[in-house]
Amino acid sequence: QVQLQESGPGLVKPSETLSLTCTVAGGSISTYYWSWIRQAPGKGLEWIGYTYFSGRTNYNPSLKTRITISLDMSNNQFSLRLTSVTAADTAVYYCARDLGAGLGPFDYWGQGTLVTVSS
Amino acid sequence: EIMMTQSPATLSVSPGERATLSCRASQSTKSNLAWYQRKPGQAPRLLIYGASSRATGIPARFSGSGSGTEFTLTISSLQSEDVALYYCQQYSYLPPTFGQGTNVEIK
Repeated sequence: QVQLQESGPGLVKPSETLSLTCTVAGGSISTYYWSWIRQAPGKGLEWIGYTYFSGRTNYNPSLKTRITISLDMSNNQFSLRLTSVTAADTAVYYCARDLGAGLGPFDYWGQGTLVTVSS
Repeated sequence: EIMMTQSPATLSVSPGERATLSCRASQSTKSNLAWYQRKPGQAPRLLIYGASSRATGIPARFSGSGSGTEFTLTISSLQSEDVALYYCQQYSYLPPTFGQGTNVEIK
């Protein structure tokens, strides 16, 4: 059974960098595409981007200039960095495994972690 | 960006009755459409992909249909454990996008 778990700070100051890690258990990260998805309070689900073991990445154009998603195969983890955060980046952040080729569908998800941007 | 519109926002159904949820895409996504279920405090769960294929372990009472721009998720006989928020998602175009969700409750 594949399990994903997000970890990282729950509070980030405005203009700083949000960093989250997703640890994958029960399966190798060297197959499948791996994505980050978020949901701001009162808003819908928003896909952030994906990474693949080949090093390939793709990002949501609305966030592209601020995102880096990377893979750490030695620890079976992948990570999200989002720079220059504002209150609009306050959200529950999910990591997910992609059953397809980068855009979904997403068959395994983490529980989600709330990140609040506030001074 | 493809807009996904779900209706209704809230659906109240008696136990054992049929629940029908709709999802409309702003342009054709062929059959690249998934449905998810999310219960409070839990991770989203993939129910349907390819518009009509059930994901592993999903009960047969869940079925999906449609193609192009109009899609439907049907719960043939609503159980109490089906109370949840349901989302559709298109994966034809970058970025993949989700509907706002339909909240299914017991009448």
